Amino acid sequence: QAQLVESGGDLVKPGGSLRLSCAASQFTFSDYYMTWMRQAPGKGLEWLAYISVSGNTIYYADSVKGRFTVSRDNAKDSLYLQINSLRVEDTAIYYCARNLNYFFDLWGQGTLVTVSS
Amino acid sequence: EIVLTQSPVTLSLSPGERATLSCRASQSVTNSLAWYQQKPGQAPRLLIYDASNRATGIPARFSGSGSGTDFTLTISSLEPEDFAIYYCQQRDKWPPTWTFGQGTKVEIK
Repeated sequence: QAQLVESGGDLVKPGGSLRLSCAASQFTFSDYYMTWMRQAPGKGLEWLAYISVSGNTIYYADSVKGRFTVSRDNAKDSLYLQINSLRVEDTAIYYCARNLNYFFDLWGQGTLVTVSS
Repeated sequence: EIVLTQSPVTLSLSPGERATLSCRASQSVTNSLAWYQQKPGQAPRLLIYDASNRATGIPARFSGSGSGTDFTLTISSLEPEDFAIYYCQQRDKWPPTWTFGQGTKVEIK
């Protein structure tokens, strides 16, 4: 069964950095566009970043442009999100998801990032 | 930027009742609209894509309709496991951005 598993979430201080990972299994990862999204506590869903199959095309939400970097390693069936200059408002569960056309047909269980001094 | 507005914010119903959820787009998205279900502590799950197509494994009591700017998710007869938050979602073509509605919570009355 196709699966995505995120990791790397942690408690960090404002200004810190984190690298989130998303491991794919039971499907051909290199065939799919991928996306990162997040959900702040008690809030709705926010799209963050998109990466094409090859990694050559990347889009970011304005709210994270310049601080977040998405990448992928198709040989390792893995997706990454580098988050720099963390702010309190970045506190959220971060999800990776598989893109199918314009929607998301497979989601990971999420990894929690908490930014607090 | 296309904005999705869901209504109502909260829907209080009893098991067995019919649920009707609305999603309105600020401009036409043709039929490129998806619906997701999210239960507490879980990731969202795709229910409907292309406005009316059920995703794999989704029960027939879930149906979607609409096109252009007005969309509806209907749950024909609520089961206990259907009490959750539902989100609609679309993608702007340029610049490419993906947006969600603010969600409708279906709660037990």
